[in-house]
Amino acid sequence: AQSVTQPDIHITVSEGASLELRCNYSYGATPYLFWYVQSPGQGLQLLLKYFSGDTLVQGIKGFEAEFKRSQSSFNLRKPSVHWSDAAEYFCAVVPFSGGYNKLIFGAGTRLAVHP
Amino acid sequence: NAGVTQTPKFQVLKTGQSMTLQCAQDMNHNSMYWYRQDPGMGLRLIYYSASEGTTDKGEVPNGYNVSRLNKREFSLRLESAAPSQTSVYFCASSGVLLAGGTDTQYFGPGTRLTVL
Repeated sequence: AQSVTQPDIHITVSEGASLELRCNYSYGATPYLFWYVQSPGQGLQLLLKYFSGDTLVQGIKGFEAEFKRSQSSFNLRKPSVHWSDAAEYFCAVVPFSGGYNKLIFGAGTRLAVHP
Repeated sequence: NAGVTQTPKFQVLKTGQSMTLQCAQDMNHNSMYWYRQDPGMGLRLIYYSASEGTTDKGEVPNGYNVSRLNKREFSLRLESAAPSQTSVYFCASSGVLLAGGTDTQYFGPGTRLTVL
């Protein structure tokens, strides 16, 4: 079945440590790819997106993501995590199925940051 | 520039009551969306409106109706609320809606709804 998978429900890292959040998708063609962040009690904010071109994408707040076609992955990374990065992170895709701009979300990864 | 706004922020209903969630955007976007967010399930699309005057069902439309009042406003109505509709509801908007194309969706702050 077509889907977006975020294998890690919860991740805890220490402040200053590096971070990688995983995202895999199962669509035939390369979809458009997004990462959103949701702080507690807030809406979703776009961190970065990939449509085409350079497979390493830079986003806001020091985040980057790398698209790997061979692995159907779009993992989010940050070299040094700050306490304010504690939030829930959602990977989302727009598959090439025609029709409308249908955004399919993963279940999310909740990040906790230890001081 | 407010972006996408939603009212109310919180609401508690009894089973069988009705209510309308309001959404407005000031980005001159053509397309608007309603999602619900449930723990462990990410966001799921309820309804969307590709442009003023059109609406279509998404993944989980049962129990909901929508109205695209004008280009700015897109409301979601629960005619007879059920406990299964307890959720956080997000409205979003985007500039274009093209077959095979896309545009970034911008989200409102959400409405937390509890149905008793």
